[in-house]
Amino acid sequence: GESVGLHLPTLSVQEGDNSIINCAYSNSASDYFIWYKQESGKGPQFIIDIRSNMDKRQGQRVTVLLNKTVKHLSLQIAATQPGDSAVYFCAEKTNFGNEKLTFGTGTRLTIIP
Amino acid sequence: DSGVTQTPKHLITATGQRVTLRCSPRSGDLSVYWYQQSLDQGLQFLIQYYNGEERAKGNILERFSAQQFPDLHSELNLSSLELGDSALYFCASSVAGQVNAGNTIYFGEGSWLTVV
Repeated sequence: GESVGLHLPTLSVQEGDNSIINCAYSNSASDYFIWYKQESGKGPQFIIDIRSNMDKRQGQRVTVLLNKTVKHLSLQIAATQPGDSAVYFCAEKTNFGNEKLTFGTGTRLTIIP
Repeated sequence: DSGVTQTPKHLITATGQRVTLRCSPRSGDLSVYWYQQSLDQGLQFLIQYYNGEERAKGNILERFSAQQFPDLHSELNLSSLELGDSALYFCASSVAGQVNAGNTIYFGEGSWLTVV
């Protein structure tokens, strides 16, 4: 079946540095992508989304980049803070006509004080 | 707090039993989604309801069923439980039915099911 994302990797970043979390997707027809943050013991929290007609979108301290040529999505977090420690998931809209969000396996981000 | 309420937060039950998980969507949201999160499968979409009607279906087992009531709350029924059904079950909600920009999907805190 279709898959989004990689095996669950771990990324450790020094507090105050920028972090980049990557995600690969497999469905070239997908036209909508979302990044979610999941803290321990909580549900996924919406961070930012992007349509396929864009290649970049910025939010507060976060930027999502979309490269449709290589089917790659990235989330950049500026000036990381301890509260940014979490698992980050990319999600992709798949199965048009029976739409659903397909989630990647996630990346665990750890902020080093 | 996303505004999506799930009960119970934790549940321990024996194999072969049946449980019901309950979800109240955010005020004004018409769509409810159910997801299963396990260590080996990640977040898996189960099913979506929109205004009482089934809208999309994912990898939901035949032993599982769901419904959305007129007051828009939803229940996920899991029967003939097996050890492998142990997981976090998330409910999410959104205003509209389609998955698209402008229709943010908000997740609840989950119901942790342990089957022993």
